[in-house]
Amino acid sequence: GAVVSQHPSWVICKSGTSVKIECRSLDFQATTMFWYRQFPKQSLMLMATSNEGSKATYEQGVEKDKFLINHASLTLSTLTVTSAHPEDSSFYICSARKPGVYGYTFGSGTRLTVV
Amino acid sequence: GESVGLHLPTLSVQEGDNSIINCAYSNSASDYFIWYKQESGKGPQFIIDIRSNMDKRQGQRVTVLLNKTVKHLSLQIAATQPGDSAVYFCAENSQSGGSQGNLIFGKGTKLSVKP
Repeated sequence: GAVVSQHPSWVICKSGTSVKIECRSLDFQATTMFWYRQFPKQSLMLMATSNEGSKATYEQGVEKDKFLINHASLTLSTLTVTSAHPEDSSFYICSARKPGVYGYTFGSGTRLTVV
Repeated sequence: GESVGLHLPTLSVQEGDNSIINCAYSNSASDYFIWYKQESGKGPQFIIDIRSNMDKRQGQRVTVLLNKTVKHLSLQIAATQPGDSAVYFCAENSQSGGSQGNLIFGKGTKLSVKP
C-alpha cells in the first residue's frame, strides 16, 4: 500500500503566529504532493500542488505568501500558515500518489484552530 | 469553472439495505474517478476507482458505475453496515498527457445507517 503521515493532528495557535504542518510519504517517494483545506461540513478544496525541488503551484485565490509550501525532499512537504488568523481555522489535509497504487493516499489531516 | 457535484447531500438507510450515492461531473476531459469515505476528523479513505474506459467496477461490497454519456458516477454499497456511516466524496482527475494531475472533489454525501 501507500502511507502518508501528517503531523500534527491538531494544533491551537494564537493570532499572528505561524504554524507548520508536515506531510510525509512513508513507504514511497513523492515528487508531487497536494494540499487541501476543508471547512466543516464542506468538501475538500485544493490549495496547492507541492513539487519537489521547485515552486509550488497555487490554486486561484490562495495566497502563496500566507500559505508557504516547501517540498525539499522526495518524502516531505510542509505547509506553513503564516500570521494566522481565526479565519484560517480549518482542517488541512495532504495527499500523494504512489506509483502503481490505486488512487491518491491522504494524510490523517491537521485540525488548526487559531485563537 | 468545471466541477463535480452530487445529487443528494444526505442519505439515511436501514442496516442491511443497499445504498446508492450519486455524483455528477462536468469535465468531459476527466478520465479517472475515485470514491472516498471520510469519517469525522479523519482524512479521506480510498474506496474504489474507475477509469473512463470502463463503465463498471466492483470491489468488496461496493460497485462503481460510470455513465459517460450523462457524466454520472454512482457508488453502490451492498448490505450497508453501521460502520459505513460517513461522508462519501467522488473525485475526478484528468491524467491525460501522463501527468498526475490533481483531484477535484464533489460536495459529499453523508450516509447514515440506522440499526
